[in-house]
Amino acid sequence: AQSVTQPDIHITVSEGASLELRCNYSYGATPYLFWYVQSPGQGLQLLLKYFSGDTLVQGIKGFEAEFKRSQSSFNLRKPSVHWSDAAEYFCAVVPSGTNDYKLSFGAGTTVTVRA
Amino acid sequence: DVKVTQSSRYLVKRTGEKVFLECVQDMDHENMFWYRQDPGLGLRLIYFSYDVKMKEKGDIPEGYSVSREKKERFSLILESASTNQTSMYLCASTPWGGTPRSEQYFGPGTRLTVT
Repeated sequence: AQSVTQPDIHITVSEGASLELRCNYSYGATPYLFWYVQSPGQGLQLLLKYFSGDTLVQGIKGFEAEFKRSQSSFNLRKPSVHWSDAAEYFCAVVPSGTNDYKLSFGAGTTVTVRA
Repeated sequence: DVKVTQSSRYLVKRTGEKVFLECVQDMDHENMFWYRQDPGLGLRLIYFSYDVKMKEKGDIPEGYSVSREKKERFSLILESASTNQTSMYLCASTPWGGTPRSEQYFGPGTRLTVT
């Protein structure tokens, strides 16, 4: 079955430390891949997306993600976390090769930033 | 600036009541979506619409219906609210551009409590 998995429910990181959030997908062909962030009390905001080409994608707020076909992964990273990065992060996919606009989301990873 | 608004941030209703959640976007987008967000489950698609008066079921349509009489407005209806429909409801929109890769723009969400 097609699925999106975020293995980490909750991550705590110190301010200034690096952050990596994991995302794995199970689809027949490489889907379109997205990372969204939801700050407390807010809707979702797109951080970055991958369709093809360079496997290292730069996004907003200093985030980047790396697509690894061999591992069916699209992990999100940030070299130095700020307190404002405390939020919930969602990996999402849209099947490629179709006109399907529906996003399928992972369960989310909550990030806590400690001073 | 892109904007998706939802009629209420917080809503408390009683079991058996008919509930309307309204979503309006000002971007002239064709596609609109309703999701519910629950801890540990991420976002799940309830219904979506590709155009005025068109609707399709998502992954969890049971207990919900929708209405799209105007392009900018997409309403979610709970015909007879139940306690298991207590959740955060998020609306999103995206343009019809021949590509599923377009960003979905999210509203701030409505937190519905059914007592």
